[in-house]
Amino acid sequence: DIQMTQSPSSLSASVGDRVTITCRASQSISSYLNWFQQKPGKAPKLLIYGASDLQSGVPLRFSGSGSGTDFTLTINGLQPEDFATYYCQQSYSTLWTFGQGTKVDLK
Amino acid sequence: EVQLVESGGGLVQPGGSLRLSCEASGFAFSSYWIHWVRQAPGKGLVWVSRIKSDGTTTDYADSVKGRFTISRDNAKNTVFLEMNNLRAEDTAVYYCARVGGRTYALDIWGQGTMLTVSS
Repeated sequence: DIQMTQSPSSLSASVGDRVTITCRASQSISSYLNWFQQKPGKAPKLLIYGASDLQSGVPLRFSGSGSGTDFTLTINGLQPEDFATYYCQQSYSTLWTFGQGTKVDLK
Repeated sequence: EVQLVESGGGLVQPGGSLRLSCEASGFAFSSYWIHWVRQAPGKGLVWVSRIKSDGTTTDYADSVKGRFTISRDNAKNTVFLEMNNLRAEDTAVYYCARVGGRTYALDIWGQGTMLTVSS
């Protein structure tokens, strides 16, 4: 199975900050990398697909980059509603896998 | 409205069985792959299984292979997850999700259904 490793596992930030989360795959996954946001008690929400394409309705402050094994999710100008847990997920192999998550909380 | 609604969760004893359902509405269900993802209390998301639009292809995570069976009834817009020989570590919220045709990602999720395996 392809292992997905996110860093950091958690971070504290302030409203307006630029936040960067990284995700590394154990082997090349081309651009088959998706990012999700999850808030407590809610289902995950797709933010970014294909490593860098913004899902419809997602604010432009969210962006994704990378290919191969190394990927980044960036939030430019963190908003109060962005405090949540973020997951990367690969859809390259037959068995899809998620990263362990990165919790973004208020500093 | 495009939506998925899971049902069937509950409390089951170790070694027991349960079937989860995922009913779709608002889109052409028979054209989409459907996946199951689970989340143990306080833990991260774990991919479980998937089924092709016509039901001819299924895949499973190693942790559930041989115990779980995914199937679908396109006439009823429903996907099922039959779970046998349940273990305490299967305790989780189970989500079904649709793979978007344009995105090749899980773009629509249900609200989840809770399974507790305990004696």
